[in-house]
Amino acid sequence: DGGITQSPKYLFRKEGQNVTLSCEQNLNHDAMYWYRQDPGQGLRLIYYSQIVNDFQKGDIAEGYSVSREKKESFPLTVTSAQKNPTAFYLCASRLAGEADTQYFGPGTRLTVL
Amino acid sequence: GENVEQHPSTLSVQEGDSAVIKCTYSDSASNYFPWYKQELGKRPQLIIDIRSNVGEKKDQRIAVTLNKTAKHFSLHITETQPEDSAVYFCATCFGNEKLTFGTGTRLTIIP
Repeated sequence: DGGITQSPKYLFRKEGQNVTLSCEQNLNHDAMYWYRQDPGQGLRLIYYSQIVNDFQKGDIAEGYSVSREKKESFPLTVTSAQKNPTAFYLCASRLAGEADTQYFGPGTRLTVL
Repeated sequence: GENVEQHPSTLSVQEGDSAVIKCTYSDSASNYFPWYKQELGKRPQLIIDIRSNVGEKKDQRIAVTLNKTAKHFSLHITETQPEDSAVYFCATCFGNEKLTFGTGTRLTIIP
């Protein structure tokens, strides 16, 4: 877990602004994931990437975008098209071929003012 | 797609007693079932997992059982302690791609 970092820990933005959340891992993991967590709804998958330069939409991709230019980095952009972006955002990573186990970063709490 | 239901949503247990949380899933092809523990404001931490070729797995005070026929799996915590208080999430996975999570159980251990 210590090898996955997210920044910032807290983020505030005004309505209509795009904002990018950082996720970095030094575990040499191949796959990376972004989840959104709201109270009472568990974790919902936004986007995931199995290899560099490739990513797939999860269950709630609308209003979000990602890139995977480097193996260790998977930034998430929350666009102004996301109608209710206030949430706790969690990044995770997994080593390809290892047991499906995902390890989570510490999260970023985004608040839209 | 996969649907995972988790019960109960809240659970209060006297310290020293056992706690059981149950999840049911819809996709019979799911083959990996992890359980995560999340303390307030922290990241989810994997506490135990089980694969579809195993019926039960135990690690000290925690255990997971899997019934593939009925498509449900359960988390068992024995001799509960105050530090077990947290939100617990079950999840399922098919292949090596994505997890589908339950909605969580808030466990409170009463001293």
